[in-house]
Amino acid sequence: GNSVTQMEGPVTLSEEAFLTINCTYTATGYPSLFWYVQYPGEGLQLLLKATKADDKGSNKGFEATYRKETTSFHLEKGSVQVSDSAVYFCALRGDYKLSFGAGTTVTVRA
Amino acid sequence: DTGVSQDPRHKITKRGQNVTFRCDPISEHNRLYWYRQTLGQGPEFLTYFQNEAQLEKSRLLSDRFSAERPKGSFSTLEIQRTEQGDSAMYLCASSPRTSGSVVYNEQFFGPGTRLTVL
Repeated sequence: GNSVTQMEGPVTLSEEAFLTINCTYTATGYPSLFWYVQYPGEGLQLLLKATKADDKGSNKGFEATYRKETTSFHLEKGSVQVSDSAVYFCALRGDYKLSFGAGTTVTVRA
Repeated sequence: DTGVSQDPRHKITKRGQNVTFRCDPISEHNRLYWYRQTLGQGPEFLTYFQNEAQLEKSRLLSDRFSAERPKGSFSTLEIQRTEQGDSAMYLCASSPRTSGSVVYNEQFFGPGTRLTVL
């Protein structure tokens, strides 16, 4: 079946530091890949997506590239802010349902 | 667009009691999903509706769980004879009808219902 493995946290960074969260997946066929973010006290929000190999999703300074050869979709941001403190989930969609990783808690200190 | 709403936001119950949660999807979204999220884990798929038809149920959904979506609008998730292991956040999501060449439609999540079983 489909599964997602993402880097364990928690991750603590200083403002303006570089952030990377690793995500690898196992899937049959050609899944779509996503990063969701959950800010404290809020629901899941789609951060970015990529629907085919070599696609790069980007939003709010975050980027992730769909790498089929390494079955990866690592999330990166060049300069984090305190407001980026949240839980980040990598997910894949094969047919219609989403399969999520366990989440990575990121805390950015001023 | 008011987004996906869920009610209640929090529910505390005693073991053995029945609970029911409601989800109102974004209007005109024909697909509706339920997920469960336990502490420190990502959401896990429970069940999926297209209009009023329940098309798939996860093995996580034991006989004590039942979900409905009458008339293809709001949905309810009922848990009978709750157990402490049912304590979790129950998330609802909806997505619009696929049209034309669009093969992907984003799932929009509600804020969730946090269930605590004592």
